[in-house]
Amino acid sequence: DIQMTQTPSSMPASLGERVTISCRASQGISNYLNWYQQKPDGTIKPLIYYTSNLQSGVPSRFSGSGSGTDYSLTISSLEPEDFAMYYCQQYDSSPLTFGSGTKLEIK
Amino acid sequence: EIQLQESGPGLVKPSQSLSLTCSVTGYTITSGYDWSWIRKFPGNKMEWMGYISYSGSTNYNPSLKSRISITRDTSKNQFFLQLNSVTTEDTATYYCARYPHYPGVMDAWGQGASVTVSS
Repeated sequence: DIQMTQTPSSMPASLGERVTISCRASQGISNYLNWYQQKPDGTIKPLIYYTSNLQSGVPSRFSGSGSGTDYSLTISSLEPEDFAMYYCQQYDSSPLTFGSGTKLEIK
Repeated sequence: EIQLQESGPGLVKPSQSLSLTCSVTGYTITSGYDWSWIRKFPGNKMEWMGYISYSGSTNYNPSLKSRISITRDTSKNQFFLQLNSVTTEDTATYYCARYPHYPGVMDAWGQGASVTVSS
């Protein structure tokens, strides 16, 4: 299985701040990398697919980048609704695997 | 608009089977895509469990292969998860989701069903 190492596990941040979450795969995944957001009520929604493509309806302050084994999610200016859990997920090979999650908290 | 809704018992005894239903509205599960089950454990780890395709074929996470079964009832537009011989380690929130292989992101999720395994 491809292991996904996501850092940091938690991140205190302030409104308006720019933040970056990282995800490293145990082997190259050819950009087959998605990002999801989980809200405190448990709702999960996709943010970014294939490394850098914004899912429909997702604000442009979210962006993704990376290649090979290293990927990142950036939020350019935090809004109140962005404080949530974030997960990366690879789909280069089965089984699909997720990162361990990053909890974005209000500082 | 597609909606998915998980349902099933919130408490299961060890060694018994866990059974959950995902009811889909706004899209016919035989029209396309794969239909997945994913779980999130206490402590935030997430695990993809498997899927059933629009044609009825299945693909399971090898870590669960001997215990898992995903089936469907096309007349009710539902698909199901059965996990056998559960232990306390199977305590989690279980999600169903739609999984288009292109673009490869799970694009619609249920709200999750919390299942506790305890005697």
